[in-house]
Amino acid sequence: GAVVSQHPSRVICKSGTSVKIECRSLDFQATTMFWYRQFPKQSLMLMATSNEGSKATYEQGVEKDKFLINHASLTLSTLTVTSAHPEDSSFYICSAKPGGSYGYTFGSGTRLTVV
Amino acid sequence: GQNIDQPTEMTATEGAIVQINCTYQTSGFNGLFWYQQHAGEAPTFLSYNVLDGLEEKGRFSSFLSRSKGYSYLLLKELQMKDSASYLCAVRDDKIIFGKGTRLHILP
Repeated sequence: GAVVSQHPSRVICKSGTSVKIECRSLDFQATTMFWYRQFPKQSLMLMATSNEGSKATYEQGVEKDKFLINHASLTLSTLTVTSAHPEDSSFYICSAKPGGSYGYTFGSGTRLTVV
Repeated sequence: GQNIDQPTEMTATEGAIVQINCTYQTSGFNGLFWYQQHAGEAPTFLSYNVLDGLEEKGRFSSFLSRSKGYSYLLLKELQMKDSASYLCAVRDDKIIFGKGTRLHILP
């Protein structure tokens, strides 16, 4: 089946630093990828839609200058959390929809802890 | 606005049947998904309904009524490994998730 590979799975960083999370579609091309954030015992909240070759679309309340998204190729999207703060600690997950498939495939997620 | 409601928690017994309901009010509708998520892991796809009716897939079935804005996920012959959160999600031009239902299975 379709696989979305997400790295790193866990990262701990110091407050004020930046962290990059990568999401790759391994066996299909993804012109669109979705980035979600999930706080403990909460559901997935859509942060932004990443579009290959164009600017990402951010959801209301999500700071585009803080969460930088780059979708440079049909198989790779990256989310960079800039100047991270403890309140950015969360579970970040990407997803994409393989062509011909109903379901959206999710990456394995990245647990970010900012100390 | 977008609103997806499902119970916060449910408890059922191993071997039994449980139905998890989901109601939605969204500006558009292009299908409804059910996902399973174990703690600390990414969601995994269970089912997709775009037309009214029941979709059966092994021990899991999903039902949709578009006129009522209602869906349910039916889990039969419950196993301990079914203890997880079950997320209802509606697709418009993007997917919006409900808050999930945490299902506890008792031996």
